[in-house]
Amino acid sequence: TQLLEQSPQFLSIQEGENLTVYCNSSSVFSSLQWYRQEPGEGPVLLVTVVTGGEVKKLKRLTFQFGDARKDSSLHITAAQPGDTGLYLCAGASNAGNNRKLIWGLGTSLAVNP
Amino acid sequence: EPEVTQTPSHQVTQMGQEVILRCVPISNHLYFYWYRQILGQKVEFLVSFYNNEISEKSEIFDDQFSVERPDGSNFTLKIRSTKLEDSAMYFCASSALWTQYFGPGTRLLVL
Repeated sequence: TQLLEQSPQFLSIQEGENLTVYCNSSSVFSSLQWYRQEPGEGPVLLVTVVTGGEVKKLKRLTFQFGDARKDSSLHITAAQPGDTGLYLCAGASNAGNNRKLIWGLGTSLAVNP
Repeated sequence: EPEVTQTPSHQVTQMGQEVILRCVPISNHLYFYWYRQILGQKVEFLVSFYNNEISEKSEIFDDQFSVERPDGSNFTLKIRSTKLEDSAMYFCASSALWTQYFGPGTRLLVL
């Protein structure tokens, strides 16, 4: 059974601080996606990483896919209150036409002004 | 920007009743999915659909569940006889290749 472990589960920081969220597995994924989810809404895609060692930047967010494609991290620089939310990682094995996503439990981030 | 839409946004039903959840995937996407999220728990895969047939389903997706693409735009999830434990947010997603885009969800409450 494939599992994705996210850490930390909860994070409360002050505006302007940096933070890193981790997503780890013992399984190899063909791709890994990061989403942000607001209460009562669907996950909104932030980024997809597909190549081992890949780094993608989205403004103050930096995403990295591990060399072995088993882990990923999300780093936020100078966090702002608008970054508050639930961040989810989801991995896909993409075997043939089977592309189900395996999800982490999420990191609930609170950025205090 | 194209997006996945879902209806209804909320559905309340009695245990044992049938419900149909509707989704309109992004128009040029070929892969369609249903996921559910019970309050406070992980998002769980239910089923994936490609080329007018189920390509993979989870253990959750038993005989009470079915999916259908009745026309060129809609993708539906039917639960034949709802149980209390079917109460959850149900998300539809679609993809062209690897990246899945999600709808806003249907909150199903079974009483």
